[in-house]
Amino acid sequence: QSALTQPPSVSGSPGQSVTISCTGTSSDVGSYNRVSWYQQPPGTAPKVMIYEVTNRPSGVPDRFSGSKSGNTASLTISGLQAEDEADYYCSSYTSSNTWVFGGGTKLTVL
Amino acid sequence: EVQLVESGGGLVQPGGSLRLSCAASGFTFSSYWMHWVRQAPGKGLVWVSHIIGGGSRISYADSVKGRFTISRDNAKNTLYLQMNSLRAEDTAMYYCARDYGYSGYDWGQGTLVTVSS
Repeated sequence: QSALTQPPSVSGSPGQSVTISCTGTSSDVGSYNRVSWYQQPPGTAPKVMIYEVTNRPSGVPDRFSGSKSGNTASLTISGLQAEDEADYYCSSYTSSNTWVFGGGTKLTVL
Repeated sequence: EVQLVESGGGLVQPGGSLRLSCAASGFTFSSYWMHWVRQAPGKGLVWVSHIIGGGSRISYADSVKGRFTISRDNAKNTLYLQMNSLRAEDTAMYYCARDYGYSGYDWGQGTLVTVSS
């Protein structure tokens, strides 16, 4: 149950786009369209932003989008806003009927 | 409105036990899979355990297998996590989450567990 691999940090200026990658294996990300992304501002509970690779819950801005290619999933945030500054985590269902998270990525809005 | 309220956290000595609860409301509890996820201070999210709606299928992270037990009482709309043989590395905020689309779709605010002598 090794954690998915995310970059520790990314940054962008307001209005720009940023992409956060999430690399797993053929036993998790590569085998299932069951990748989700979470936003966690400091001191708060996580909030789902994307589920099943590309689906956005109601209320999540369409500036947030997800994709997947092979063993790597990605979260793209377009039109970056100051309120997007937070930690972001990916997660995937695995072939062992377990779930695994990524190590998290700190997004800084410059 | 979906609400998940965790309780039962606190300070416990190494080797001790705690039972966490997660009271659910605003949805048909028995129809949903549920998860426990933890987060050590200053660290990332770690999946702990999962249970399906009827309770017959359960899974655990290797780090807690044999020490933690997940269960649910659908009549009381409550999820539990029995934690035994606690270690310092179990110190974390513990969140319960409702599953939808194999994701943690709704989350509680968490309950803090501190394992220390």
